[in-house]
Amino acid sequence: GAGVSQSPSNKVTEKGKDVELRCDPISGHTALYWYRQSLGQGLEFLIYFQGNSAPDKSGLPSDRFSAERTGGSVSTLTIQRTQQEDSAVYLCASSLQPGLAGEDTQYFGPGTRLTVL
Amino acid sequence: ELKVEQNPLFLSMQEGKNYTIYCNYSTTSDRLYWYRQDPGKSLESLFVLLSNGAVKQEGRLMASLDTKARLSTLHITAAVHDLSATYFCAVDLAAQKLVFGQGTRLTINP
Repeated sequence: GAGVSQSPSNKVTEKGKDVELRCDPISGHTALYWYRQSLGQGLEFLIYFQGNSAPDKSGLPSDRFSAERTGGSVSTLTIQRTQQEDSAVYLCASSLQPGLAGEDTQYFGPGTRLTVL
Repeated sequence: ELKVEQNPLFLSMQEGKNYTIYCNYSTTSDRLYWYRQDPGKSLESLFVLLSNGAVKQEGRLMASLDTKARLSTLHITAAVHDLSATYFCAVDLAAQKLVFGQGTRLTINP
C-alpha cells in the first residue's frame, strides 16, 4: 500500500476487556515498530520486529501487552485486561532497512486511539 | 538512559518571523530525526541527520546536527501559518528504537 495503515482508528473498551490493534506496514519494509503516545508520557517505544529475528520487547510496559507479526508483514498488538492508564494513541511505524543510512526512516501510520472506560 | 529534551515546548510567533527549536540529547547517537505532527494526525518525517555538521533544508525549515554538543536545531525562516504543528525530534537509541523529545507546539499567527 501507499503507507502504513492501522485499524481500528478508534477503539472504546471497558476496563478489564482485551483489545487487538492491527498494523499493515508499507509493502517491502522489513522492520515494524509500535509506539504509544499519551499526554502524560509523550511518545514511547513499545516493541520492534525485524525480519525473522526475535522481537525487541523492551518497551512493553507490562505482561498484559503482547504483539506478533505474521508472515513478516501484518502485526497485531494485544492488550489484555485493559486498564484506564492504557488509554492512548497507539502508533505503528515501518522502515525499509534499519541501520542502513537513507533507508531507515520510520514511517508512521495514522494510529489507533484507545479509550478505556 | 537516553533523554531527549526540546525547548521551547510552546512557541507562538507571527508570520514572517524567524525562530529556532532546540533538541538536546544525553548520550551518543548517530541518527537524529525531525517529525511534524498536525492535530489528530500521525507523524510526518521531515529530516534525517546522520553525521556531525549535517544540515538539511526543505522550504522554510532547516535542520542541523552537532553531535559533539549533542544538539540539533530546527530553524524556521519567515514563518507561514501552514507551518503550525507540533514538531518532534527523535534520537536513535539502538537498533532503530527512537526516543522522542516532548514536542514543540508551534503556533504561527497571521
